[in-house]
Amino acid sequence: AQKVTQAQTEISVVEKEDVTLDCVYETRDTTYYLFWYKQPPSGELVFLIRRNSFDEQNEISGRYSWNFQKSTSSFNFTITASQVVDSAVYFCALTWGLSNFGNEKLTFGTGTRLTIIP
Amino acid sequence: DAMVIQNPRYQVTQFGKPVTLSCSQTLNHNVMYWYQQKSSQAPKLLFHYYDKDFNNEADTPDNFQSRRPNTSFCFLDIRSPGLGDAAMYLCATSRDLMATNEKLFFGSGTQLSVL
Repeated sequence: AQKVTQAQTEISVVEKEDVTLDCVYETRDTTYYLFWYKQPPSGELVFLIRRNSFDEQNEISGRYSWNFQKSTSSFNFTITASQVVDSAVYFCALTWGLSNFGNEKLTFGTGTRLTIIP
Repeated sequence: DAMVIQNPRYQVTQFGKPVTLSCSQTLNHNVMYWYQQKSSQAPKLLFHYYDKDFNNEADTPDNFQSRRPNTSFCFLDIRSPGLGDAAMYLCATSRDLMATNEKLFFGSGTQLSVL
């Protein structure tokens, strides 16, 4: 079974603090893809990053960084020097398989609501 | 400019009264998806179209139907809305199937209320 767990339901931090959002996944497939999406109050999910299972390099994009560790099945997301605009719900998601028709489902975690306090 | 457009932003319907939600895209993507997101929950895939091929999730109720008359438009029809169908409905597109490492582009969603 494929599953994504985001144990942190809500997090609040003061502006400029660093914050890490946890994501743990389960899959039997050796080929899979992990994603992070941001859902601001406007409702639209915004793509942040995609990582395939063969690429364990960590990635940094501005204040955002991602730590992918296959050994612990985790794909954690860190925001450095948080800002009020970072307040949103963040979803970790998983899809799997190669080009087999039927693997189109993007399985989301339940999300972490992040509030940045000014 | 919005690339996946959902109308209306808010929709109110009565219990049992059919309702249609619409989605259009300017990306010319092959795949269009409908997700249901209830309050404080993860989005849940209802179905998707790959071009004209319709793919229903096994646990999607028969009450939910979809139409894709052309590449740009996709509709979600709820034949007899129940109170439990109140949710945010998200439309998304991708250039190709997810398994080929594509990413989804989402619309802003339609918040459906059932009275």
